[in-house]
Amino acid sequence: NAGVTQTPKFQVLKTGQSMTLQCAQDMNHEYMSWYRQDPGMGLRLIHYSVGAGITDQGEVPNGYNVSRSTTEDFPLRLLSAAPSQTSVYFCASTRGRSKKNNSPLHFGNGTRLTVT
Amino acid sequence: AQTVTQSQPEMSVQEAETVTLSCTYDTSESDYYLFWYKQPPSRQMILVIRQEAYKQQNATENRFSVNFQKAAKSFSLKISDSQLGDAAMYFCAYRSARDDKIIFGKGTRLHILP
Repeated sequence: NAGVTQTPKFQVLKTGQSMTLQCAQDMNHEYMSWYRQDPGMGLRLIHYSVGAGITDQGEVPNGYNVSRSTTEDFPLRLLSAAPSQTSVYFCASTRGRSKKNNSPLHFGNGTRLTVT
Repeated sequence: AQTVTQSQPEMSVQEAETVTLSCTYDTSESDYYLFWYKQPPSRQMILVIRQEAYKQQNATENRFSVNFQKAAKSFSLKISDSQLGDAAMYFCAYRSARDDKIIFGKGTRLHILP
């Protein structure tokens, strides 16, 4: 199994540009989520989804959009990039509420995004 | 809203010694799940240990154990016989049983001194 596949690994954007970070998992996980990791701030939840067609905001949702049209995919969209969005982004998935909720998160390898 | 607090940004421990990393959380829920994750320099996130809130018995995984105090909302991680490979960022995480949301603390960077 590939697990959680996250692309791209690196990206440089100019302020105002848009882009989509892709995330796909092949484990049939209901729960998927996006985090950003900044020095001294830990991992902060951006958006999450408990199943296809369902999304919800996390701790820092502003400036980001998500959709969940299939169980496998959970793309993160930056509509108008800002320097404050320079960060490392992680996609993660796990079993949902109907399964054992002590299941661990499976993480992608991260995307390092720089906005100039 | 739930919060997770890790009050120690950095800690150091001598190799073979024992170290405890602290984690407190705030929630109004009675049912939830707690985790400790390790992030080495490779940036890969690795599950260390997990605990269900309804279980009174503290979880143990080899050299790793937790001290779960539900009333105090505390979930500390004890690493025994520290090894050089334990050097990493450690994150405490909370999973709500109500809305499934998973949030993390800011992390503790652990240094192992040879």
